[in-house]
Amino acid sequence: GAGVSQTPSNKVTEKGKYVELRCDPISGHTALYWYRQSLGQGPEFLIYFQGTGAADDSGLPNDRFFAVRPEGSVSTLKIQRTERGDSAVYLCASSLRTGGLETQYFGPGTRLLVL
Amino acid sequence: GENVEQHPSTLSVQEGDSAVIKCTYSDSASNYFPWYKQELGKGPQLIIDIRSNVGEKKDQRIAVTLNKTAKHFSLHITETQPEDSAVYFCAAKYPSRDKFYFGSGTKLNVKP
Repeated sequence: GAGVSQTPSNKVTEKGKYVELRCDPISGHTALYWYRQSLGQGPEFLIYFQGTGAADDSGLPNDRFFAVRPEGSVSTLKIQRTERGDSAVYLCASSLRTGGLETQYFGPGTRLLVL
Repeated sequence: GENVEQHPSTLSVQEGDSAVIKCTYSDSASNYFPWYKQELGKGPQLIIDIRSNVGEKKDQRIAVTLNKTAKHFSLHITETQPEDSAVYFCAAKYPSRDKFYFGSGTKLNVKP
């Protein structure tokens, strides 16, 4: 595809439920990032993948959050036992590192609302 | 870790005027500074970036300046147009880390 895509675009769930958010990066991009953006704030780093492995997951807020990228392309962010405070826009970005340089491209985000 | 502060939080200008948004960062080793434009309901879109070996970069009506000594960088938009209205975010990246640290955003309103 031409850009990063994310599905679903919107997700409404009830407190305590499990949700999965999907990200399709730009073809050929080896790096993939997940961010969380609360209203009126900048994106907050959650986790970074280089290939299939999570190179840095230090931004995940707690063990209810988990992300995978089994084949080095599509990634899924998984949230267990959702809480109202998890409501936010979850952004995915991908990048291609060339010669030590990196330009990051964002998807449109998934708007998660936990009731 | 890195801390990026962005000012102002809101900026209102008349069409045709210039707009300037400023960011400061804390880690002197940060070496890459992108700027993003985010429209309502969309993801951030890269509009310009600068690396630490350059002091200024221009792309048509948009320019970014970097002062490494003072650890601040600024976005300049000239001849603003209503379609420039959006939220703008600055970011900084430390070379050996894989995180981008974002500012809190500036809501720019260009009045026709």
